[in-house]
Amino acid sequence: DQQVKQNSPSLSVQEGRISILNCDYTNSMFDYFLWYKKYPAEGPTFLISISSIKDKNEDGRFTVFLNKSAKHLSLHIVPSQPGDSAVYFCAARFKGAQKLVFGQGTRLTINP
Amino acid sequence: DGGITQSPKYLFRKEGQNVTLSCEQNLNHDAMYWYRQDPGQGLRLIYYSQIVNDFQKGDIAEGYSVSREKKESFPLTVTSAQKNPTAFYLCASSPIRELSNQPQHFGDGTRLSIL
Repeated sequence: DQQVKQNSPSLSVQEGRISILNCDYTNSMFDYFLWYKKYPAEGPTFLISISSIKDKNEDGRFTVFLNKSAKHLSLHIVPSQPGDSAVYFCAARFKGAQKLVFGQGTRLTINP
Repeated sequence: DGGITQSPKYLFRKEGQNVTLSCEQNLNHDAMYWYRQDPGQGLRLIYYSQIVNDFQKGDIAEGYSVSREKKESFPLTVTSAQKNPTAFYLCASSPIRELSNQPQHFGDGTRLSIL
């Protein structure tokens, strides 16, 4: 049973526009959500996170929104840059636990 | 520089052979994790350890074994019982702090293939 889902395997966005990556989850016991960025043949790098007590967290060009009633989070990147082309994973952590549950990933391509 | 080192970067296994993937961290993190990534799938947890000499099974532990004799090291053995070992293996670590959220940090992975 997939508890964290990224329903879009790929997304293509023009340079300078906004990229919106989506993630849905099913378990209301998750209390911490993260986004990771991954280039081919490398490990994921942490991008931004949000606690379940917040609905928005911003860091430079990256903003994560959390809608707990809909069990949905999204990552906004604006403006999108060519270096943003990568696979993006959302992940969730159960309250009181350390391990993460990952979504399947979305491949973002930024076109010049 | 502090970080997580995985070796080797590429590894080939013959049928019926056990292989061990190395993971070392100098971040002074208490917790360490092993994940497996297959094409088009997310990361799936194999094993994790929150303290030396203790570890727990993740979602797909069958055919794998681990040890945690030192805080810095968390090697993963892929045994011959793992029937589909071809994948990209990722090691991660994180601090354990009750009052703050800390992300996991990842190594650059080991790609394991069957000969």
